[in-house]
Amino acid sequence: ETGVTQTPRHLVMGMTNKKSLKCEQHLGHNAMYWYKQSAKKPLELMFVYNFKEQTENNSVPSRFSPECPNSSHLFLHLHTLQPEDSALYLCASSQDQLAGGNEQFFGPGTRLTVL
Amino acid sequence: AQKVTQAQTEISVVEKEDVTLDCVYETRDTTYYLFWYKQPPSGELVFLIRRNSFDEQNEISGRYSWNFQKSTSSFNFTITASQVVDSAVYFCALSEAHAGGTSYGKLTFGQGTILTVHP
Repeated sequence: ETGVTQTPRHLVMGMTNKKSLKCEQHLGHNAMYWYKQSAKKPLELMFVYNFKEQTENNSVPSRFSPECPNSSHLFLHLHTLQPEDSALYLCASSQDQLAGGNEQFFGPGTRLTVL
Repeated sequence: AQKVTQAQTEISVVEKEDVTLDCVYETRDTTYYLFWYKQPPSGELVFLIRRNSFDEQNEISGRYSWNFQKSTSSFNFTITASQVVDSAVYFCALSEAHAGGTSYGKLTFGQGTILTVHP
């Protein structure tokens, strides 16, 4: 595997379900990001982890819970979601969040539908 | 506050036409970075270019070229002789270099421009 991978690619869940999204980066990076991309809206940064420490929580509802066990893996745990949470969830990584201008590399995303 | 504006929501061209995607940004930081990403239908954002605020040289990479003008706070992207495979959503983004800036350590994206190239 190369780059940034995400599983599953598609997920349909009911509002009472609990599920998790997984992201893995094979680039030796130290920063990982979760973004939400909804139709007709710009990319919204949700969480950032730098060297396994959470450095950003962009006022995300608590029904989204991130986990970063090491610099290569990032999870997004989902529970009691709402239909408006349906979106494409993108994971990204970069060398170091605080290094100037480091580009982020993105995974293919998980298309989430909440029924 | 930092902001990136891509005024063109959708552009439609015929193959082999040249097309320019506009990007205008706002920042109070004197040092910053600008990016372009491409998002094909598969969903993954693909990094195209990064430019720092001290480097105003235009850049060309194959059919792609970028025009950075600090005087107008613009970082426009031109595709020459467009092809169907260029059809995608293109995002411009900004990252500030100094701690304390609201875009420090993260990317602020524009709304994106949907480019459709017809055969």
